[in-house]
Amino acid sequence: DTEVTQTPKHLVMGMTNKKSLKCEQHMGHRAMYWYKQKAKKPPELMFVYSYEKLSINESVPSRFSPECPNSSLLNLHLHALQPEDSALYLCASSPQRDTEAFFGQGTRLTVV
Amino acid sequence: QQQVKQSPQSLIVQKGGISIINCAYENTAFDYFPWYQQFPGKGPALLIAIRPDVSEKKEGRFTISFNKSAKQFSLHIMDSQPGDSATYFCAASIFGNEKLTFGTGTRLTIIP
Repeated sequence: DTEVTQTPKHLVMGMTNKKSLKCEQHMGHRAMYWYKQKAKKPPELMFVYSYEKLSINESVPSRFSPECPNSSLLNLHLHALQPEDSALYLCASSPQRDTEAFFGQGTRLTVV
Repeated sequence: QQQVKQSPQSLIVQKGGISIINCAYENTAFDYFPWYQQFPGKGPALLIAIRPDVSEKKEGRFTISFNKSAKQFSLHIMDSQPGDSATYFCAASIFGNEKLTFGTGTRLTIIP
């Protein structure tokens, strides 16, 4: 299994909603990432988990809350988002101490 | 210091031609240079990657050329096909550091 699976593929939420994005990989990778990508821009790193511990938080607003329940799962909890948070949210994973990152297909998030 | 500059922003190449995308970096600590291909609405997919101990790496129609002294690397796509039409991102990182620094992207269009 060489896939990073993200659900849902599309999400529309209001500014007062709470929702979660889910990411799963079964490649035994010990580093997992959340990226945000706006149209026609490169992915921007948000969070990195290494061995299930948060190792990098790129000064992301607290309305985004990551969680790593186990080595295969990564969640991103969303609360009180703004319309400017609308973007493609990408999950990625890589073997520990190697930087070959594999990306999921992303969740297209629209905040209304 | 952390920037990776990518050019051109967009590129149109005739079918069967050679597509060339260039990247330049400043941080001499970078030692891993991947290229990602991204189709609209999809996550980036790792295409090919190189480490600075070699000057060239070829995989099928895709070749990375690396010039350590000039701090530049480039992607060459031989015999370009319409299916290669996508956005290409170069990236760089320091081995053991999970953080990828992306270039700004090149939108490649292959015309028949």
